[in-house]
Amino acid sequence: DVKVTQSSRYLVKRTGEKVFLECVQDMDHENMFWYRQDPGLGLRLIYFSYDVKMKEKGDIPEGYSVSREKKERFSLILESASTNQTSMYLCASSFGSRGGGASNQPQHFGDGTRLSIL
Amino acid sequence: AQSVTQPDIHITVSEGASLELRCNYSYGATPYLFWYVQSPGQGLQLLLKYFSGDTLVQGIKGFEAEFKRSQSSFNLRKPSVHWSDAAEYFCAVGVGWGKLQFGAGTQVVVTP
Repeated sequence: DVKVTQSSRYLVKRTGEKVFLECVQDMDHENMFWYRQDPGLGLRLIYFSYDVKMKEKGDIPEGYSVSREKKERFSLILESASTNQTSMYLCASSFGSRGGGASNQPQHFGDGTRLSIL
Repeated sequence: AQSVTQPDIHITVSEGASLELRCNYSYGATPYLFWYVQSPGQGLQLLLKYFSGDTLVQGIKGFEAEFKRSQSSFNLRKPSVHWSDAAEYFCAVGVGWGKLQFGAGTQVVVTP
């Protein structure tokens, strides 16, 4: 089975702190994704990566950055945490799609990190 | 632009009754469609997926979904709901670069 592991289930930080959320997958997937999930808004894509050192902005990248130095690891960084970044953060991975077209590969999700910014 | 609509934010169903969750999508080409379930405090688990072929797709946990191109729908069904089916359900369509466009989700409550 695919395993996507997020480093923390719960995290509490203070405004202005730099926050790192880590995600590791063990299936040699090319694609990795970071979402935030808020009640009534579903999942919103923050950033994704389709290869090592490659990153693309999703729908809501403001206030976030990412790092992918190794294929199995994808980090989400909150440069200066703010209270409106309190949320559930979900990491996912999938096999790559050829040529960038729509993919029939499902995404596999970690259990999420519930982040509170005080 | 691609979009996914789940018209029902919240559904309450009695244990043992049937369940149908609606999903409508907007996508130019033949869509790749997925249903996921999220139990409280957990990540999303894939229930089933549709790529092509038979429009009735079987998934895990006794769920099935039917793709109807003419109605741009991909509704999820279960004949008899168990208390453990209480969760949030998300419909999604595959878009470029392996991304998924998710609906806002439907919260299912199961009563005794």
